Amino acid sequence: EAGVTQFPSHSVIEKGQTVTLRCDPISGHDNLYWYRRVMGKEIKFLLHFVKESKQDESGMPNNRFLAERTGGTYSTLKVQPAELEDSGVYFCASSRGPGWEQYFGPGTRLTVT
Amino acid sequence: AQSVTQPDIHITVSEGASLELRCNYSYGATPYLFWYVQSPGQGLQLLLKYFSGDTLVQGIKGFEAEFKRSQSSFNLRKPSVHWSDAAEYFCATAYMRFGAGTRLTVKP
Repeated sequence: EAGVTQFPSHSVIEKGQTVTLRCDPISGHDNLYWYRRVMGKEIKFLLHFVKESKQDESGMPNNRFLAERTGGTYSTLKVQPAELEDSGVYFCASSRGPGWEQYFGPGTRLTVT
Repeated sequence: AQSVTQPDIHITVSEGASLELRCNYSYGATPYLFWYVQSPGQGLQLLLKYFSGDTLVQGIKGFEAEFKRSQSSFNLRKPSVHWSDAAEYFCATAYMRFGAGTRLTVKP
């Protein structure tokens, strides 16, 4: 089966611009997660979708971040406007159920200059 | 609150030597615990997981981990490290809590 894919692999934007990251989970996985890793720090949970519903968005840093999963398939994470501290690697993962093994995508490296 | 601690940021071992990466968790009930590995340019790959039962868990690539409730630990081990094991390793709970990662360097 195809794995989790993320697009783009790398994005460089200026402070104040908008960026949209996309994640395509494994087909049939209702659970989709977004994480962020700032350089040298731990991987931090952002939010968790079950199908199209946000199950837990307690990790979203602020209202400049908007995640959607229309139709319960792929998900997007928009950052608007981007700030310097948003730089990092954004990972997406999917699983069959909460607490089950998560399959990770390769990540999107976001650089805000 | 749940948390996972990986005390070692960076470890260097010689090829062929044994390896142990430490992971400590903080969780009231029996946790679900995972070890993931991330090679450069790749996503995180699951090495092994512990849900319940036998406290010694076998994973892929010759790795194993032992769950010790008395020490709140879930350390990852490998008896003989290969150069291809150089990567970053993450311990995690099922509830989206990751450690900071341990970077492994393998010397020839």
